[in-house]
Amino acid sequence: KQEVTQIPAALSVPEGENLVLNCSFTDSAIYNLQWFRQDPGKGLTSLLLIQSSQREQTSGRLNASLDKSSGRSTLYIAASQPGDSATYLCAVPNSGYSTLTFGKGTMLLVSP
Amino acid sequence: DAGITQSPRHKVTETGTPVTLRCHQTENHRYMYWYRQDPGHGLRLIHYSYGVKDTDKGEVSDGYSVSRSKTEDFLLTLESATSSQTSVYFCAISADDRGRVEQYFGPGTRLTVT
Repeated sequence: KQEVTQIPAALSVPEGENLVLNCSFTDSAIYNLQWFRQDPGKGLTSLLLIQSSQREQTSGRLNASLDKSSGRSTLYIAASQPGDSATYLCAVPNSGYSTLTFGKGTMLLVSP
Repeated sequence: DAGITQSPRHKVTETGTPVTLRCHQTENHRYMYWYRQDPGHGLRLIHYSYGVKDTDKGEVSDGYSVSRSKTEDFLLTLESATSSQTSVYFCAISADDRGRVEQYFGPGTRLTVT
């Protein structure tokens, strides 16, 4: 059974800092990995989908990397802003690919 | 944004009553999912559907049933609600016809069982 761990559980940084969120998974036979953002009281917004054949995927100030062999992904946020404050979740497919297992998320607070 | 709506958005009900939550999509995607989100547990899959009348159980399916009679609608029913089913429920759809992830989420339904 796939297990996903996200470290740290919470992170507080001043505005402008570059930061890295970590995601690890136990079954490396994945097709892809998805990063989401969740604002308080809201649904999940898909940020990046990184395929197993890719090592990195970028969207604006966000960069996600994937290392299947080590079972790890990182989400890099450059020049953080208060608007980046949210919970960030990663998710990987289970065997059969139809369903996902989610990490519990990293709660990010960026202070002005 | 993916066209996913959930209704109701908020509901308070009493223990033992039946409750049905609705998920509606305008994207014509084949795969639809129901999750619940709870502090300390994160997101957990309840049931999912891979086509009209085709459904399967997820990690926490006990006490829940689902139905999908049309591509655009996926219903989640709590036959007899319990306090342990107080949660936020999210519907999701898959943008890939084979269900190979990328999932898009609805806004959620906050259910309180008293």
